[in-house]
Amino acid sequence: KAGVTQTPRYLIKTRGQQVTLSCSPISGHRSVSWYQQTPGQGLQFLFEYFSETQRNKGNFPGRFSGRQFSNSRSEMNVSTLELGDSALYLCASSFLAGLTGELFFGEGSRLTVL
Amino acid sequence: GQQVMQIPQYQHVQEGEDFTTYCNSSTTLSNIQWYKQRPGGHPVFLIQLVKSGEVKKQKRLTFQFGEAKKNSSLHITATQTTDVGTYFCAGNNNDMRFGAGTRLTVKP
Repeated sequence: KAGVTQTPRYLIKTRGQQVTLSCSPISGHRSVSWYQQTPGQGLQFLFEYFSETQRNKGNFPGRFSGRQFSNSRSEMNVSTLELGDSALYLCASSFLAGLTGELFFGEGSRLTVL
Repeated sequence: GQQVMQIPQYQHVQEGEDFTTYCNSSTTLSNIQWYKQRPGGHPVFLIQLVKSGEVKKQKRLTFQFGEAKKNSSLHITATQTTDVGTYFCAGNNNDMRFGAGTRLTVKP
């Protein structure tokens, strides 16, 4: 079956702009979680959605938001971009809620903020 | 808040040598997961540990979860060049906290 699909794979934005990233989970998975990966901070949890509801949230400012649709696809949005937002953004899908099962990661969306 | 510390940050071994990476959480975890990320790739799930004192084996890989559910280790016996990558632990306690990862390089 198809894996987790993230779009776009690469994008370049300038400071102050906003960006929306998309994640399509594995068919049948209702949990989607998002992560930011940078060389300095490593992998950091952003939030998890299950059945269109945000279940858990990491320690990120309100500029980072997300949502999940009825087909389990998820989007995350970052507003008022800062240079420090440059990172690889990974999403992962899971059959179980609460990050208690195997997470299947997508290839990621690499965001560069200039 | 919960923090997960992972050591060492880097490990370079000769092929055939053993390798171990350790994770320690500041709080008790409900479960811990281990992932491997190859250079340029995405994290791939290896295993999840849930029970206190749990030990699981996958061929040359041995995973342990401490009695207090605050620490964990991954041990690879007789490393091979295919083991190259960064190994992450991820502790779950209502949110997922990843260790910084241990980057393993293997010299043939």
